[in-house]
Amino acid sequence: DGGITQSPKYLFRKEGQNVTLSCEQNLNHDAMYWYRQDPGQGLRLIYYSQIVNDFQKGDIAEGYSVSREKKESFPLTVTSAQKNPTAFYLCASSPQGLRNEQFFGPGTRLTVL
Amino acid sequence: SQQGEEDPQALSIQEGENATMNCSYKTSINNLQWYRQNSGRGLVHLILIRSNEREKHSGRLRVTLDTSKKSSSLLITASRAADTASYFCATDASGSRLTFGEGTQLTVNP
Repeated sequence: DGGITQSPKYLFRKEGQNVTLSCEQNLNHDAMYWYRQDPGQGLRLIYYSQIVNDFQKGDIAEGYSVSREKKESFPLTVTSAQKNPTAFYLCASSPQGLRNEQFFGPGTRLTVL
Repeated sequence: SQQGEEDPQALSIQEGENATMNCSYKTSINNLQWYRQNSGRGLVHLILIRSNEREKHSGRLRVTLDTSKKSSSLLITASRAADTASYFCATDASGSRLTFGEGTQLTVNP
């Protein structure tokens, strides 16, 4: 099956801890994205990567870090510097080009206790 | 920055009625896309309209784009209870990223 997967579905963490969210795709897409969604709101872009070993900050990158060592994988680390990390996190991928329709994973709901 | 703004924020209709959602944006775009999100799930791409197109259809969906007014509308005809979801517009101004609006929550009552 082709698709994009995120794990875990639910994640709990204590204040002061770093946590890494997984995102994997087997669609052979060049570009990958991380978004944050708060209740009743739209998506805000955290980081994106258009090619392996390269990534750019989005609109709300502070307190987050990413890596893109493989085309298939784009993990997101939520660091202790992120002041309000409780949210729904969505990963997406897209082929390059003018038609950049994005394909989304099922999301990870992070709760800080 | 949130470029897209959807209107209304929430819409409640009966099955069989049509649902219209609007999106306004601020800068020039390459294309505009509409996505659907069921509660607690990822987004699903519905339709893409390029800046040189004015109208596009896909099944029960009709999208219009007015670049002079920087606005788009999504029409869902003959709605069904299964259409209940949040709908988001997203604009591509750079070719490398999308900017999403706040969404319209659609409820279709059986």
